Amino acid sequence: DSGVTQTPKHLITATGQRVTLRCSPRSGDLSVYWYQQSLDQGLQFLIQYYNGEERAKGNILERFSAQQFPDLHSELNLSSLELGDSALYFCASSASGTDPNTGELFFGEGSRLTVL
Amino acid sequence: AQRVTQPEKLLSVFKGAPVELKCNYSYSGSPELFWYVQYSRQRLQLLLRHISRESIKGFTADLNKGETSFHLKKPFAQEEDSAMYYCALSGDQKVTFGTGTKLQVIP
Repeated sequence: DSGVTQTPKHLITATGQRVTLRCSPRSGDLSVYWYQQSLDQGLQFLIQYYNGEERAKGNILERFSAQQFPDLHSELNLSSLELGDSALYFCASSASGTDPNTGELFFGEGSRLTVL
Repeated sequence: AQRVTQPEKLLSVFKGAPVELKCNYSYSGSPELFWYVQYSRQRLQLLLRHISRESIKGFTADLNKGETSFHLKKPFAQEEDSAMYYCALSGDQKVTFGTGTKLQVIP
């Protein structure tokens, strides 16, 4: 499967803990985007990377951080977890990074995080 | 700042009835707009983009800059159209999504 892959699919953890979500973009795509989907909140843009560098930042909390590695996979780190962080976290990739205005986003299946 | 508004969380229509999913946007520049769809147990995927001016699965969407709208329309709904639909705006190096509308086509 050369599509966007995300791991883990499901994750249950406790408040105060730290987790790492991983995303592998489609082969050849340089841009990676992270979105959070909470109940009734739609898709909230968190952050975008292009070829290893941060390109755009959305409503990402300071407790959250991300990076894109030389092999283009990306990780989203969530720390000091709170109950409200429970959500579906989507990764998407696109071929265009310098001009996302014309790029289609390809989504992964998401990582469902449950904080107890 | 850019914003996408989808006022309806749920839209229920009977099979064969016309469908219109509303989308309004706020953006100071020249936007590129998309509709994405998520069928049950499938990934979110692109349905259509305004720049292509195409009809996909019978759906069309016209960008109305005066009303800052990009409504998705289909003249005759089919059961297989039941899904979650997201309107999205691309600008300022990021893509902003609306909260989504669940379309339920009643047989």
